[in-house]
Amino acid sequence: EMQLVESGGGLVQPGGSLRLSCVGSDFTFNVHYMKWVRQAPGKGLEWLSYISDTGRTTKYADSVKGRITVSRDNTKKSLYLQMTSLRVEDTGVYYCARLGAWTPGTQFYDYAMDVWGRGTTVTVAS
Amino acid sequence: QSVLTQPPSVSGAPGQRVTISCTGSISNLGAGYDVHWYRQFPGNAPALLIYVNNNRPSGVPGRFSASKSGASASLTITGLQAEDEADYYCQSFDTNLSAWVFGGGTKVTVL
Repeated sequence: EMQLVESGGGLVQPGGSLRLSCVGSDFTFNVHYMKWVRQAPGKGLEWLSYISDTGRTTKYADSVKGRITVSRDNTKKSLYLQMTSLRVEDTGVYYCARLGAWTPGTQFYDYAMDVWGRGTTVTVAS
Repeated sequence: QSVLTQPPSVSGAPGQRVTISCTGSISNLGAGYDVHWYRQFPGNAPALLIYVNNNRPSGVPGRFSASKSGASASLTITGLQAEDEADYYCQSFDTNLSAWVFGGGTKVTVL
């Protein structure tokens, strides 16, 4: 069964840093673009970052730009999210997701997230 | 305030049909970007329900259908079942923001 498993969440003080990891299994990790999405407590979904299959192209939401860095190690089937200068409003569940659903002719920005991890919880509090 | 607008909640009796709207603008749905729908049960991760406007992944029941027209999209559940109680999110790309965007989510309640 195709699977993504996140780890690295925890309690961190405002201004602190965390590195989240996401490991893929039972699919060809290195051909898929990936995203990070978060969900604040009781709130909706928010896209955070995107990374291409090779890792050469990345994009970030304005809310986190300059504070997070997405990367991947395809040899380890792993995706990472380095977060710095964390704020209370960064609290939430962080999901990694695979971009694996499209129809012929679809451009990458229209790919859908077809495999999601269970999420890892980040709590920013003093 | 989400870029894509969804009703906060919809409800229906078992067997009824419910429709969730997703209203965008000329910088996202109206620009021709595709819409996807995700379902999230409480305490669980989101899961893909519909991709590229009206395509169901394998395993998604046929009672779920969706459409897109101009700057609007909708998800329809025909023959509502108790197990359909969940939060539903639409998602697309916005060219002005150069970002992927979600609707605020719609909670479906089965009466």
